[in-house]
Amino acid sequence: DAGVIQSPRHEVTEMGQEVTLRCKPISGHDYLFWYRQTMMRGLELLIYFNNNVPIDDSGMPEDRFSAKMPNASFSTLKIQPSEPRDSAVYFCASSLSPGLADTGELFFGEGSRLTVL
Amino acid sequence: KNEVEQSPQNLTAQEGEFITINCSYSVGISALHWLQQHPGGGIVSLFMLSSGKKKHGRLIATINIQEKHSSLHITASHPRDSAVYICAVDPGSQGNLIFGKGTKLSVKP
Repeated sequence: DAGVIQSPRHEVTEMGQEVTLRCKPISGHDYLFWYRQTMMRGLELLIYFNNNVPIDDSGMPEDRFSAKMPNASFSTLKIQPSEPRDSAVYFCASSLSPGLADTGELFFGEGSRLTVL
Repeated sequence: KNEVEQSPQNLTAQEGEFITINCSYSVGISALHWLQQHPGGGIVSLFMLSSGKKKHGRLIATINIQEKHSSLHITASHPRDSAVYICAVDPGSQGNLIFGKGTKLSVKP
């Protein structure tokens, strides 16, 4: 398997523009997570899905952020409109079954580095 | 106060030294993860543990549930071990992790 695939790797946009980040989890993984990493706050969970259903979106900072998982092999994180404070690295990760020691390992994508000017 | 505290924040070692990174947490957990983030930015899972000790090559992770404390040890450190090591706890068996701020390790040749 190719691992978790994220796109784009880098995105530079202007304030007010819509940003869409994409993620393809590892085939067969039931859980998908979106994280954001900044220098100030480190890694934070934004939202996670189980079997394509959003389970906990309490980490989504504002209504400007939305995430979807239309099928088991694809998820998007959208920011509309984007603001400079959204600049961060956004990671997607997937897991087979996070609660179990033998199958709970998280597999991360390479991240999408977003810069909002 | 952060729910997950790591120490030290920064660590410089000479090649070959034994290294210990500590993680303390204040919430009940089902599991604890140790992650490695290289300068290029990618994040790799090193360990997931809920009790006792795990070993993989030169890396050893231990956890004491009663003390709410975990340690990551690196034996015979090497410059390629230079990275940020992140401790994360899973409070609900769902993978919705709470992360420490990370420990930046630099191993000099």
